[in-house]
Amino acid sequence: SQTIHQWPATLVQPVGSPLSLECTVEGTSNPNLYWYRQAAGRGLQLLFYSVGIGQISSEVPQNLSASRPQDRQFILSSKKLLLSDSGFYLCAWSVLRASLYFGAGTRLSVL
Amino acid sequence: AQSVTQLGSHVSVSEGALVLLRCNYSSSVPPYLFWYVQYPNQGLQLLLKYTSAATLVKGINGFEAEFKKSETSFHLTKPSAHMSDAAEYFCAVSESGANSKLTFGKGITLSVRP
Repeated sequence: SQTIHQWPATLVQPVGSPLSLECTVEGTSNPNLYWYRQAAGRGLQLLFYSVGIGQISSEVPQNLSASRPQDRQFILSSKKLLLSDSGFYLCAWSVLRASLYFGAGTRLSVL
Repeated sequence: AQSVTQLGSHVSVSEGALVLLRCNYSSSVPPYLFWYVQYPNQGLQLLLKYTSAATLVKGINGFEAEFKKSETSFHLTKPSAHMSDAAEYFCAVSESGANSKLTFGKGITLSVRP
């Protein structure tokens, strides 16, 4: 069966520090991969999605970037965090036209 | 473009009462529709989905939803609420020909009173 791993679960970072969140999927090949951010009272915002290695689409302009170095690995990064980057970050995967399956999320607090 | 509207941010019901969470969608093509549940500090879990088969969809934990094209709605119901149903619920839409790019509503928090 398929599983998705996302880490760390929580992270506290100072403003201006770098960020790296990692997500890996097991049990499937060539999944579509997604990064969402959930801010309080604002629902889920799609940040990035990827349909293959090295293929990244950005949905909103922001201080973050994403990379997909391997088929089942998706990384969310920032060179310098802002206060507004705080939130709950969710990685998800899907196979063509199927449902999204989410990881457990990372709670990021930028102080 | 597709969108989802979930009116209100909070619903409170008594244990054993009917749960009704409303969702209206907008889509230029036949949609796929989803309901997800999120427990505190966890990821989202798929409750049920509509993908152009039966209009009444049954999901996990006793939930069901009915697709009504004429009303552009996909409301979530459960006949009898349980304390464990307290969570945040998200409705989402994707275009049936698209590559699973979901658009989510803002979510609604369900509280269950003993």
